[in-house]
Amino acid sequence: SQQGEEDPQALSIQEGENATMNCSYKTSINNLQWYRQNSGRGLVHLILIRSNEREKHSGRLRVTLDTSKKSSSLLITASRAADTASYFCATDNSGTYKYIFGTGTRLKVLA
Amino acid sequence: GAGVSQSPRYKVAKRGQDVALRCDPISGHVSLFWYQQALGQGPEFLTYFQNEAQLDKSGLPSDRFFAERPEGSVSTLKIQRTQQEDSAVYLCASSPLGPLTVGYTFGSGTRLTVV
Repeated sequence: SQQGEEDPQALSIQEGENATMNCSYKTSINNLQWYRQNSGRGLVHLILIRSNEREKHSGRLRVTLDTSKKSSSLLITASRAADTASYFCATDNSGTYKYIFGTGTRLKVLA
Repeated sequence: GAGVSQSPRYKVAKRGQDVALRCDPISGHVSLFWYQQALGQGPEFLTYFQNEAQLDKSGLPSDRFFAERPEGSVSTLKIQRTQQEDSAVYLCASSPLGPLTVGYTFGSGTRLTVV
């Protein structure tokens, strides 16, 4: 079964706009990751945030984590057509090696 | 190698046929994972190896699924007597041992279609 749920399931925006995706999870975690998956390809790791961190930045990506609400958000600023992909959060399920993925948000950025 | 390599990229199997999917992880990566991804869903954990030891196979859906990593590098996921519900993308990932700092490295996956 899948641990997390991303919200929204699908998002369509214009190039240059910001995109925000949310992830909720069920168990306690040591860290949470976000991955991108282009159609028909493998997953690419974007960013890892630890349970004692509240916010992390990487280029145009900003991730927040609220462990009290068991939720995380991924913000992509100034989106580009190349950002079109599915985005997944993954949690380490109480600190085990076994990462559990959410259901994903399908982002479409229109040129 | 530079990345995780999976083969074949695509496999069409007739129902009842046995298939073998190969994963070549990044050299030196101790941990190796197999995930199954159904269409429109997130990846679901199948099994985990640390070197040649299969430490967790709790996600394997039935006894028709079998995975091995005999020399602690290349891994093979075998599915016997394939069924239509086995149709999915099978993803392999590897990582160094120890606290995760940079995430898994995934291969491009094998898309299995059972007809």
